[in-house]
Amino acid sequence: AQKVTQAQTEISVVEKEDVTLDCVYETRDTTYYLFWYKQPPSGELVFLIRRNSFDEQNEISGRYSWNFQKSTSSFNFTITASQVVDSAVYFCALSEGGNTPLVFGKGTRLSVIA
Amino acid sequence: DGGITQSPKYLFRKEGQNVTLSCEQNLNHDAMYWYRQDPGQGLRLIYYSQIVNDFQKGDIAEGYSVSREKKESFPLTVTSAQKNPTAFYLCASSIPPGYNEQFFGPGTRLTVL
Repeated sequence: AQKVTQAQTEISVVEKEDVTLDCVYETRDTTYYLFWYKQPPSGELVFLIRRNSFDEQNEISGRYSWNFQKSTSSFNFTITASQVVDSAVYFCALSEGGNTPLVFGKGTRLSVIA
Repeated sequence: DGGITQSPKYLFRKEGQNVTLSCEQNLNHDAMYWYRQDPGQGLRLIYYSQIVNDFQKGDIAEGYSVSREKKESFPLTVTSAQKNPTAFYLCASSIPPGYNEQFFGPGTRLTVL
């Protein structure tokens, strides 16, 4: 069965600090897909990234970067030089492909303090 | 603008009443989903539909019902059988298969009085 664990329930950082959000997943499939979503206070989830299991290259998008390591079943998300606008709940999710819906972790609430 | 709309944003219900949450999308997506979000619980899947006139139960379908008569619409009914319906409900849509990104609506916050 597939499972996503986000062990950090809440994180607080001061503006301009770097912060890493952890995501550990479990799956028996060799083909799977990992996602990160952001949920700002407005409530609507915003898609950030999707990564498939065959692509272990790290990705950088502006201040955001993602570290995918199959050896440790982790897909961690780092925000560099955090800003107040980064304050949100961040969800990691997993899909085993086909028509299997996403399975979400419980989320990490990030608070960036000015 | 393409997107997903959910209405109403806030909904209050008396115990024992059924209530229907609306979800409409104009993204031409075949797949639609309903999630429930409780504090500290993440998103839990209630129902999903990959195509019109077909839908499947998710992890917590008891006390809920859905219909998918049109591609654009996927309403969720919270019945009186749902023991603890107070929650934030999110609707999403995607292009199948399931590993494609989902697009989310703004959500409906349901409170049972």
